[in-house]
Amino acid sequence: GESVGLHLPTLSVQEGDNSIINCAYSNSASDYFIWYKQESGKGPQFIIDIRSNMDKRQGQRVTVLLNKTVKHLSLQIAATQPGDSAVYFCAEIKDSNYQLIWGAGTKLIIKP
Amino acid sequence: KAGVTQTPRYLIKTRGQQVTLSCSPISGHRSVSWYQQTPGQGLQFLFEYFSETQRNKGNFPGRFSGRQFSNSRSEMNVSTLELGDSALYLCASSSGTGTGYTFGSGTRLTVV
Repeated sequence: GESVGLHLPTLSVQEGDNSIINCAYSNSASDYFIWYKQESGKGPQFIIDIRSNMDKRQGQRVTVLLNKTVKHLSLQIAATQPGDSAVYFCAEIKDSNYQLIWGAGTKLIIKP
Repeated sequence: KAGVTQTPRYLIKTRGQQVTLSCSPISGHRSVSWYQQTPGQGLQFLFEYFSETQRNKGNFPGRFSGRQFSNSRSEMNVSTLELGDSALYLCASSSGTGTGYTFGSGTRLTVV
């Protein structure tokens, strides 16, 4: 069936470096792609989203890139900080479906 | 403004019992979605309610049910609990359109 998956389960990054978290998706009909951050003991927290007709969107310290040709989504975090340690999920949604389809998650570890 | 409130935070039940989980959405939000999170299956969609009507349902057995009240608060019920139902159950509220889902901290259900 349709799914969203992640390439790497764990990513270790030096504090201050940039982080890149990747995601592959299979449903070309989705309207939005979204990144969430989940810290231990908490629910997922919205980071940034991108509409399917865009290829790049920037937020505060984060950038999402969408490559529809290869069905690939990435989240770039600039100047990674200890507070960025969490599990990051990509998700997709179709406007008429009201259902988030989730990737497996990538655990981001920040090395001091 | 207050976030999404899920009660209880933790729950231990015995196989065969039933359980009811509660979710109070952000004030003004009319959509409530429920997700199950497990280490093995990740995040999976259960159902979504909007103005007391179920708009979409995931691929879970009939033991999983939900409802939404006129004040937008939602409950989900799991009957005849199985060990595999042990999971973090997350609720998300939104206005009903777009990607603005806000998640609660979840209810951790353990079935023994």
